[in-house]
Amino acid sequence: GIQVEQSPPDLILQEGANSTLRCNFSDSVNNLQWFHQNPWGQLINLFYIPSGTKQNGRLSATTVATERYSLLYISSSQTTDSGVYFCAVEPSNTGKLIFGQGTTLQVKP
Amino acid sequence: NAGVMQNPRHLVRRRGQEARLRCSPMKGHSHVYWYRQLPEEGLKFMVYLQKENIIDESGMPKERFSAEFPKEGPSILRIQQVVRGDSAAYFCASSDGLAGASDFLYEQYFGPGTRLTVT
Repeated sequence: GIQVEQSPPDLILQEGANSTLRCNFSDSVNNLQWFHQNPWGQLINLFYIPSGTKQNGRLSATTVATERYSLLYISSSQTTDSGVYFCAVEPSNTGKLIFGQGTTLQVKP
Repeated sequence: NAGVMQNPRHLVRRRGQEARLRCSPMKGHSHVYWYRQLPEEGLKFMVYLQKENIIDESGMPKERFSAEFPKEGPSILRIQQVVRGDSAAYFCASSDGLAGASDFLYEQYFGPGTRLTVT
C-alpha cells in the first residue's frame, strides 16, 4: 500500500521562528490533508490540498502532486502551535485517509 | 454548523465487556469513517460507511469489531469482549463524499474522539 513519510519527526522552536514540515508519499493520491492534533488530542483541519498552494494566516501549504510531496509552512510560531502535525493522503478513489507518523512540534516561549 | 459529534468522550470498560462508540456526522454529510489511534502510534483507518452500507472495512479487525450507519441515527462502532489492547482513541470523521468543484465537499472533518480504556 501507499507509504506516507513525514519529516522531521520532532521539532523544537523558539517562539517567533519559522518552520517547514514535509510529507512524502509513494503513489498518486486523490486528496491530501494536513491536521494539527493539539495537546488535548483534538484533530484540527488545517488544509485540504491535493495540489497547489494555500495560505491561512501564519500557515501555508504547498503540494506538488507530480513529485509526490507536500510542505507545511509555519511562520512566526506561537506556543499554541505546539502539538503533532499529521499529513494524510487518500489513495485514488478509496475514501480512506492514510496518515503519516506525524511531526511533533514544541514551541518554547 | 455543528461539527462531528462523538460520545462518550471517555469510556472505561473491564475486559470482556462491550464498548459502543457513537458518531453523529456533520449536518448534510452522508459518509462516515472510523480511525483508531493507539498509544504512541499514528492514526489508522478502520472502516468507511455510507448510510446503511459498509463501503470499506479493510482496516477493521475481523473478530469482535463491527460498525453500522443506519438510515436514522448515529454511526455506531461496537467492540465486543474488549481486551486491554483495544485501549485507544477512536476518531470518527465525516464528509459529503462527492468529488466536485468545491474542495469542501470531499474534505474529511474529525470529531473529538472517544478515549477507550480497558481495565
